[in-house]
Amino acid sequence: IAGITQAPTSQILAAGRRMTLRCTQDMRHNAMYWYRQDLGLGLRLIHYSNTAGTTGKGEVPDGYSVSRANTDDFPLTLASAVPSQTSVYFCASSIDSTGELFFGEGSRLTVL
Amino acid sequence: GQNIDQPTEMTATEGAIVQINCTYQTSGFNGLFWYQQHAGEAPTFLSYNVLDGLEEKGRFSSFLSRSKGYSYLLLKELQMKDSASYLCAILDSNYQLIWGAGTKLIIKP
Repeated sequence: IAGITQAPTSQILAAGRRMTLRCTQDMRHNAMYWYRQDLGLGLRLIHYSNTAGTTGKGEVPDGYSVSRANTDDFPLTLASAVPSQTSVYFCASSIDSTGELFFGEGSRLTVL
Repeated sequence: GQNIDQPTEMTATEGAIVQINCTYQTSGFNGLFWYQQHAGEAPTFLSYNVLDGLEEKGRFSSFLSRSKGYSYLLLKELQMKDSASYLCAILDSNYQLIWGAGTKLIIKP
């Protein structure tokens, strides 16, 4: 089934640990995004990639890094997790930077 | 600065009509999106407006006035499954999406 998948769906992590959230899409979309969603706030963009080989910083990039080695994969890494990074993380893709977004199911991350 | 305002929560009755408003002030405008998000799930696309006027799609319609920085989502013949959060998002001059905090819609029998 075509779509976008994220892993893990849920994770509890000790502060200071490194964590990578995986995201894969099979729709051949050019653009991919990582958002975090916190209660009472809108979706906030962490990093994005308009095409394979390029990445850009969003609204809240500090503490996160991404890579886009190919069209399908867009992993998000927390180098040293902190409690303020407790959130629900959504990966999304779109055919280009103007199109509708298709979201993964989300990764619920708790940093203790 | 960039700002999108939506009501935090609304309540409506099954079978009725509800209008969810979104006002915005952003650096440029390249379109407005509405997404639906059920609790614990991912957002899903509902509508896209780039020109003034009303776009109708089944029970859902979306309206845009660019001069007023205003949009609304109209839901008709409400069903219990319409209970969800509705997110308004603006594509700004840099083609970045700016998101409102969402409106939680509660449908009562």
